[in-house]
Amino acid sequence: EVQLLESGGGLVQPGGSLRLSCAVSEFSFSSYAMGWVRQAPGKGLVWVSSISASGTGTYYADSVKGRFTISRDNSKNTLYLQMNSLRVEDTAVYFCAKPIGLGIAGGDYWGQGTLVTVSS
Amino acid sequence: DIVMTQSPDSLAVSLGERATINCKSSQSVLYRSNNKNYLAWYQQKPGQAPKLLIYWASTRESGVPDRFSGSGSGTDFTLTISSLHAEDVAVYYCQEYYSTPRVTFGPGTKVDIK
Repeated sequence: EVQLLESGGGLVQPGGSLRLSCAVSEFSFSSYAMGWVRQAPGKGLVWVSSISASGTGTYYADSVKGRFTISRDNSKNTLYLQMNSLRVEDTAVYFCAKPIGLGIAGGDYWGQGTLVTVSS
Repeated sequence: DIVMTQSPDSLAVSLGERATINCKSSQSVLYRSNNKNYLAWYQQKPGQAPKLLIYWASTRESGVPDRFSGSGSGTDFTLTISSLHAEDVAVYYCQEYYSTPRVTFGPGTKVDIK
């Protein structure tokens, strides 16, 4: 069974940093583009960032560009999101995903999410 | 950037009755070269990750009950639940992937039991 397990969320002060990780198992991780989607409390789903299968292509929502960095380690089947200069409005559950929108091949998989709270 | 809108924001339907959710994109998500609409529908229940229901606007994901169906083309799409079951209470999102690897979700439609 394919599993995506996020970690690294928590409480951080405005201006601080966090690094999210997503460990993927039972999946040809290195073959597919991956992404992060976030959901603020009581709000809808918002795409944050995507990365190509090789890691050479990275893409960001305007709201996080210049502050967040997506990366991957295909030897460890792990996806990362480095979040710097965090703002209160970055508070959300962050989902690691291999959604159908990044490629029909390979299916559609999501983690359960990790909560990031930015507050003083 | 493509903007996705959904209507209604919420709806309450009696068990066994039909639920219809509309989704509109600010520009066409129909890719002419393959005649496919780059539009998906997701279901999300409280505390859970989104679950894919429909892709290519009308292709049901494996394991999804056939009471769920998608239709539409270009800029206007519909998700229909032909006979609402109690377990269908959720928020439903449309998502365009025409802009992949950047994707955009609609704001969601909450479905409840009347």
